[in-house]
This record gives sequence, structure tokens and C-alpha cells, in this order.
Amino acid sequence: DSGVTQTPKHLITATGQRVTLRCSPRSGDLSVYWYQQSLDQGLQFLIQYYNGEERAKGNILERFSAQQFPDLHSELNLSSLELGDSALYFCASSPQQGSGNTIYFGEGSWLTVV
Amino acid sequence: GQQVMQIPQYQHVQEGEDFTTYCNSSTTLSNIQWYKQRPGGHPVFLIQLVKSGEVKKQKRLTFQFGEAKKNSSLHITATQTTDVGTYFCADTGFQKLVFGTGTRLLVSP
Repeated sequence: DSGVTQTPKHLITATGQRVTLRCSPRSGDLSVYWYQQSLDQGLQFLIQYYNGEERAKGNILERFSAQQFPDLHSELNLSSLELGDSALYFCASSPQQGSGNTIYFGEGSWLTVV
Repeated sequence: GQQVMQIPQYQHVQEGEDFTTYCNSSTTLSNIQWYKQRPGGHPVFLIQLVKSGEVKKQKRLTFQFGEAKKNSSLHITATQTTDVGTYFCADTGFQKLVFGTGTRLLVSP
């Protein structure tokens, strides 16, 4: 158990819909990262937050957005869903904002768009 | 943008055989981290290499960082069925980890 909690674990939704994935980082960790893992794309970095502020952005679509709240939990919002958005979405956390720290992954949220 | 490639993409070995995955970057790597993801699981941190030419060992696993910091390798001696999974390298670039494409290892008893 990494200490990073993600909900929901599984989600099936229709194209065009909007979903929210939630992440609670490890106790004391200020940085939260979101990654997308699909079969043919490996682990793709989406976005990072540190203590409530966006710190780095990767290949995140405009239809996707995220935020980190004062209690440090984070949410990833995916809208106008397409079939290609089906993937495993990981949240990870680390104590500091530098990527040289070890990051701890949650179990992931499986999203299936039908 | 930066690309971190791993080879092979997939390897199937018999238990007891050795295994090596190679990580190559188009640009100089900052530090390199290695992760293991079991089937159906999430990536788990294994180790971080910082210095050029650095070699670290964890039991049957040997990690190496290239002299020019553009490549790294993970070698497993005498694989066991518990080694099954996908091994990822990751470059600790500014503010984010850039993951390699991964090598999936299958070990047959």
C-alpha cells in the first residue's frame, strides 16, 4: 500500500460524458502528479500540482483539467469523453516538488469509455 | 520533445535465465529512476541513479547509468517468476518524470 488513494477504481461511461477522478496523496506529501497509461502509449505525464498550484504540464488535452485543493487532495476532470480516453489514470505523490524525489503511485482508476 | 526508449519491448525467459533492459534517451538524462509494475498493479519505485557511470545492486538486480548519462540498464540475474512485470526507466527532468516505453518481462517456470 503506497498510501496514495484513488477513487473510483473502475468507471464505465459513455462518449461525450464527463467524469471526475479523485486522488488523496500520502500524508504529508505536497506534490501530486497525474499520469495516463494506455496500452500503446505507456505512462504519459499529464500534470503536476504542488501545494495547490500547478507546477508542470505534460500532454494534457484541453478537455481535461485538474486542481489540487487546500487539503491537498486532487481531482482530474475529463470531459467530452472519447473512446480513445479509455485508459488507466494514475495519481502519484511526493513530499517535494522536484522530480528527483521518489514518487508513490496509487492503484489507479480504470476508465472505460463506450 | 525528449524521448526515452527502452529495448526490448518484450522478453520471455525461462526461470533462471538472465534478463537485461536498456533505456536510451535522445537527450542527456538528469537522474534516472527505475520502476517495476506488476501485471494489474501500479508502478513501484526501485532505485535512483544520479552519477555518470554509477552502478547499484539490489540482490539479483544491477542498475547502471551510462558514462554520458544518455542511457541506463537494468540487469536481473537468474530470473524468478516473481520478477514478472513491466520495468520502466524514468528521467527526472525538471518538475516531472518522463517515463520510458517500458520492457515487459515474462518468466516461465
